[in-house]
Amino acid sequence: QVQLVESGGGLVKPGGSLRLSCAASGFTFSDYYMSWIRQAPGKGLEWVSYISSSGSTIYYADSVKGRFTISRDNAKNSLYLQMNSLRAEDTAVYYCARPRLDMFSGSPNDAFDIWGQGTMVTVSS
Amino acid sequence: AIQLTQSPSSLSASVGDRVTITCRASQGISSALAWYQQKPGKAPKLLIYDASSLESGVPSRFSGSGSGTDFTLTISSLQPEDFATYYCQQFNSYQLTFGGGTKVEIK
Repeated sequence: QVQLVESGGGLVKPGGSLRLSCAASGFTFSDYYMSWIRQAPGKGLEWVSYISSSGSTIYYADSVKGRFTISRDNAKNSLYLQMNSLRAEDTAVYYCARPRLDMFSGSPNDAFDIWGQGTMVTVSS
Repeated sequence: AIQLTQSPSSLSASVGDRVTITCRASQGISSALAWYQQKPGKAPKLLIYDASSLESGVPSRFSGSGSGTDFTLTISSLQPEDFATYYCQQFNSYQLTFGGGTKVEIK
């Protein structure tokens, strides 16, 4: 079945780095734009970053620009988020998410119909 | 970035009640709006896309309406499994944004 599975979360000190991974299965990963979305404990959802199907177009939220890097490996059906210079306010559950439509069917911007289970990132000394 | 303001931030309702949640965008977003349901410890679940289209498998008691800047999610008859937090999300611009959420609690 269609599935996204995140990994790589954990406890890291302020200023540290972490790399998150998202393994996709059950669909043609290379046909979809992908996003990372996060949720701080007890808070709402915040979109973090977006990457086009080929990786040629990338956008970031202002809160992570210059510190986080999104990438993908279509041969491995995997999405990544490299997080550097981490701050306490980056503490959150990080979800990867797939839009409802593939790159051939609609706009790159769309609602997300497939979400991973999330991976927790805690930034604390 | 486009801001989304949801109201109310929380509400108490009984099983069988009709519930309405609103989402207002800081600028026009046409119909590029989605609604999600999230239960504790779980990922969000898509309910409505394109402002009023019901996602496959979602019960018909959920409906969405609106365009431009004002949107509404309605649950026609609240069921026990509907107690959760609901979020709107706009996808009119590449800077995707979510509303602050509405927690629906049992009265």
